[in-house]
Order: sequence, then C-alpha cells, then structure tokens
Amino acid sequence: NAGVTQTPKFRILKIGQSMTLQCTQDMNHNYMYWYRQDPGMGLKLIYYSVGAGITDKGEVPNGYNVSRSTTEDFPLRLELAAPSQTSVYFCASSSRDRANNEQFFGPGTRLTVL
Amino acid sequence: KNQVEQSPQSLIILEGKNCTLQCNYTVSPFSNLRWYKQDTGRGPVSLTIMTFSENTKSNGRYTATLDADTKQSSLHITASQLSDSASYICVVSDTDKLIFGTGTRLQVFP
Repeated sequence: NAGVTQTPKFRILKIGQSMTLQCTQDMNHNYMYWYRQDPGMGLKLIYYSVGAGITDKGEVPNGYNVSRSTTEDFPLRLELAAPSQTSVYFCASSSRDRANNEQFFGPGTRLTVL
Repeated sequence: KNQVEQSPQSLIILEGKNCTLQCNYTVSPFSNLRWYKQDTGRGPVSLTIMTFSENTKSNGRYTATLDADTKQSSLHITASQLSDSASYICVVSDTDKLIFGTGTRLQVFP
C-alpha cells in the first residue's frame, strides 16, 4: 500500500512550457485534491475531485487544469508555465468529504519556472 | 475573513524538553481542527483531528487541546526527540473546506 504517490519529485521549466504533474492513490479514495505551498504561506487548494469524471475549482485554479478519468489518478496540467507557478505541489486524497475526513498527502513536487 | 494564525513562527529546543505550539483561528462555521506534521521535503501527515465537542486528544507524545469558546488550540510535545524536528501545521475546517495555517518550524537539537 503506497498511499499517494507523485511524480516527478523535482522539475525546472522555462516560461511558457507545459507539463503534467502526476498523482496516483491506491486507497480507493473518492476525493482527491491538488494544493500548492509557497514559502511562508499556508497550503492553497487548486482543484479537487469528488469522484471519477467530476472536478471543481479551489481557491487558486488560474493557470491549471485537471482531469479525473479513473478513481486512482488525478493529474494536474500547467499549460503555459509562469514564474508565479514556482511552488511545491501536493496531491492528497480522502475517503469522503474534505471537511470532515482525514486527508492523506503525497510527498510533493517541487517546481521551478525560470 | 476565515484565518488560522500560528505562533511562534519558529522554535528551537533541546532534545528531551517539552514545548507548546499555539493556533488561533477565526473560522466560522467550525467543523474540526487538525494538527499536521510536515517533515522537510515531505507531505503533511495528520497527528490529531478534534471536533467542537472534544477539548483534548493525544497521539503518543503529542497532545492537542481545543478551546472552542476562545477559538484557540495548542499542540504540546512531551520529551522531544530529534525526529520531532519538522513544521507543524494547524488546519481548521469550516464544514466545506480546509483553512491552513502557515506552520511553526520546530528544530530539536541534541
């Protein structure tokens, strides 16, 4: 049982490039989330999903896209990377709704946009 | 505005000593309060979750308290170990979403 896994661990992008951050969970959780963590700031929710085929915006969705074709996978897409997207990205999952249930986090992806 | 504030920002203690971290929140409505431990370069890991009716919860050497009237919580670490060096994040749920504090960075030295 690996929990929540994320790839890659590190990535450097040039402005305007695109990439996909991968997230997979093996706990059969319906709910999945993407957060970003900036230095000195609390985690901010980018997008979340309550099940396969259903996604919704969080607090800071601009510049990102997501899809949820399976229960296990929840990739995050950056189409035109900007320096403001330099951050650490965490994927998380929970068995039920985010407000009342424990979220399990992946190890994170550190992204730098130059 | 829903906010979660933590203090101190950082803390240095010697191995074996106790310490207490503080969390004040202005979140309404209130559903639950969580403390997470985040090791450097890792994702947050849940330590405790407390609902409105709970005023204390322990997880090994970690004890969290909640005063819903004053909207304050504390995390007490007993007999600190080097492995306790991490950031500790207070998170409050408003029944719909989570509001994260900025964390307290704890360093334990031998």
